[in-house]
Amino acid sequence: GAVVSQHPSRVICKSGTSVKIECRSLDFQATTMFWYRQFPKQSLMLMATSNEGSKATYEQGVEKDKFLINHASLTLSTLTVTSAHPEDSSFYICSARKNRGNTEAFFGQGTRLTVV
Amino acid sequence: SQQGEEDPQALSIQEGENATMNCSYKTSINNLQWYRQNSGRGLVHLILIRSNEREKHSGRLRVTLDTSKKSSSLLITASRAADTASYFCATDLFGNEKLTFGTGTRLTIIP
Repeated sequence: GAVVSQHPSRVICKSGTSVKIECRSLDFQATTMFWYRQFPKQSLMLMATSNEGSKATYEQGVEKDKFLINHASLTLSTLTVTSAHPEDSSFYICSARKNRGNTEAFFGQGTRLTVV
Repeated sequence: SQQGEEDPQALSIQEGENATMNCSYKTSINNLQWYRQNSGRGLVHLILIRSNEREKHSGRLRVTLDTSKKSSSLLITASRAADTASYFCATDLFGNEKLTFGTGTRLTIIP
């Protein structure tokens, strides 16, 4: 099956700093990628849809200036958590789908962010 | 926002028994998908069922879909310790690429 690679898998940063998370589709092109956030023992909440070559579409309640998304190529989307605070600590997961319609999504391994 | 709710939230069964998880959703869908997540990891796709399908099988997995009741179930037969994970249903709305996930069921298989 298709592979989506997410990096880093774990990161610890200090409050006030920024952290960049990368999501790559290794064997297919993805014009659209999705970023989710997951709190412990909870479900995935969609944060934003990353669109190659255009602005990301953010879900209601997600701060655009806080979570910067860049989708500069057909195989790479990045999520930057700016001016991180402890409440931003969470598990972030990206996904991509090969095609529209009745197809599965492929997920990255996730990034555990801890802000201290 | 959550499209679906799953029950039970947690389920513990003996190895070899069958596990059933249910998912309810709110709006019309194009398809419904089930995913598995091991602790601290990404999600793995299990099975996709289209809105015009009622039942689908894949190995030890059986999924049903009742669009009139807006519900789906996932049955895992002859459970194994390795099936221990969280299971999520996800809905794909018409003309929309994004998936909306249910609340999940944490399944524990007791050896």
